[in-house]
Amino acid sequence: DAGVIQSPRHEVTEMGQEVTLRCKPISGHNSLFWYRQTMMRGLELLIYFNNNVPIDDSGMPEDRFSAKMPNASFSTLKIQPSEPRDSAVYFCASRQGERNGYTFGSGTRLTVV
Amino acid sequence: KQEVTQIPAALSVPEGENLVLNCSFTDSAIYNLQWFRQDPGKGLTSLLLIQSSQREQTSGRLNASLDKSSGRSTLYIAASQPGDSATYLCAVNNNDMRFGAGTRLTVKP
Repeated sequence: DAGVIQSPRHEVTEMGQEVTLRCKPISGHNSLFWYRQTMMRGLELLIYFNNNVPIDDSGMPEDRFSAKMPNASFSTLKIQPSEPRDSAVYFCASRQGERNGYTFGSGTRLTVV
Repeated sequence: KQEVTQIPAALSVPEGENLVLNCSFTDSAIYNLQWFRQDPGKGLTSLLLIQSSQREQTSGRLNASLDKSSGRSTLYIAASQPGDSATYLCAVNNNDMRFGAGTRLTVKP
């Protein structure tokens, strides 16, 4: 299995631009999670999906952030418009069932200038 | 809301020493607890997963324990090596997973 696949690995964009991060979970995993990691705040849960349905988006910082999971093998996290304070590493993780462990992708390092 | 605390925030030890990293959590109604390792600029690598019904898990030189009733877990690393230098993260699963801030470990040759 190729694991959780995230793209792009690095993204540099100008303030005000739209940014789309992508994630492909492990095949057969029914839960998907988006996290953001910064030095100041550590790893924060943004949103998670069970069976493609958003369950908890209370961690999404602002309306500028949105996430979708149109099918079991693909999810996107979109920031529109982006701001410098959105600069962070964004991780996607997946798991099969609530009693199993998480597998993380390699992350997307986002820099907004 | 689950809160996870890791102590110490940083630890530096000479090679060969045995060490313990601590994790505490506020809500004991967990499914499981997972320890991860993160190298600088890299992703998270799973080390050990302990289910709520288990007391400990072992993998090589690593041993993780769980005391769910008191909201504590420890990660024991035996005979530490410079290659163990990394940040170790504790994550607690109450349907979603919440992370501690991590312990940054440095093992000096």
